[in-house]
Amino acid sequence: GDSVTQTEGPVTVSESESLIINCTYSATSIAYPNLFWYVRYPGEGLQLLLKVITAGQKGSSRGFEATYNKETTSFHLQKASVQESDSAVYYCALGDMTNSAGNKLTFGIGTRVLVRP
Amino acid sequence: GGIITQTPKFLIGQEGQKLTLKCQQNFNHDTMYWYRQDSGKGLRLIYYSITENDLQKGDLSEGYDASREKKSSFSLTVTSAQKNEMAVFLCASSPRWGYQDTQYFGPGTRLLVL
Repeated sequence: GDSVTQTEGPVTVSESESLIINCTYSATSIAYPNLFWYVRYPGEGLQLLLKVITAGQKGSSRGFEATYNKETTSFHLQKASVQESDSAVYYCALGDMTNSAGNKLTFGIGTRVLVRP
Repeated sequence: GGIITQTPKFLIGQEGQKLTLKCQQNFNHDTMYWYRQDSGKGLRLIYYSITENDLQKGDLSEGYDASREKKSSFSLTVTSAQKNEMAVFLCASSPRWGYQDTQYFGPGTRLLVL
């Protein structure tokens, strides 16, 4: 079946350091995968950080970037210089672009990131 | 903007009990979802509703019922709580079905079964 594997947390980094969270996917039943990063900040609900629907494209938001690489089936999330406010749980998710599948998403387990001041 | 409200925030039940979780959204979205999150696992889809009066089973529907009472509300019932069960239930909504619209999530209901 379809699945998402991401970096196991917690990941601890110091403020102003770089961060990368790995995400790889397996889309055995999806012809046109869409890829998403969701984030849950402390005390808040899960929210979309960025999404990319076309292979080879890059998405960016709040200083984070992720490139949809179809060859390596990866969608790693990166930020060059993190801030304490980036402490959160990050989820990689896989979706199907075809209308028949609608908005069904397959999520990874989430990666908790702690940014030290 | 809009908001998704889930009640209750915390739910403690007894083994075998029927438990109901409620979700309200004021986005005027057509589609609503219920997910379950267990420790160390990703979110798994339990039920979804494409539009008012519609119900669809997700990957994890066994042991649950759902009800879309009106466009703005979507309830989930645990038909018989399992002893020592512990999970977070997340409700979400999206504008439409079939266009990969962004899903907006509520804060969750934490369930503990004694």
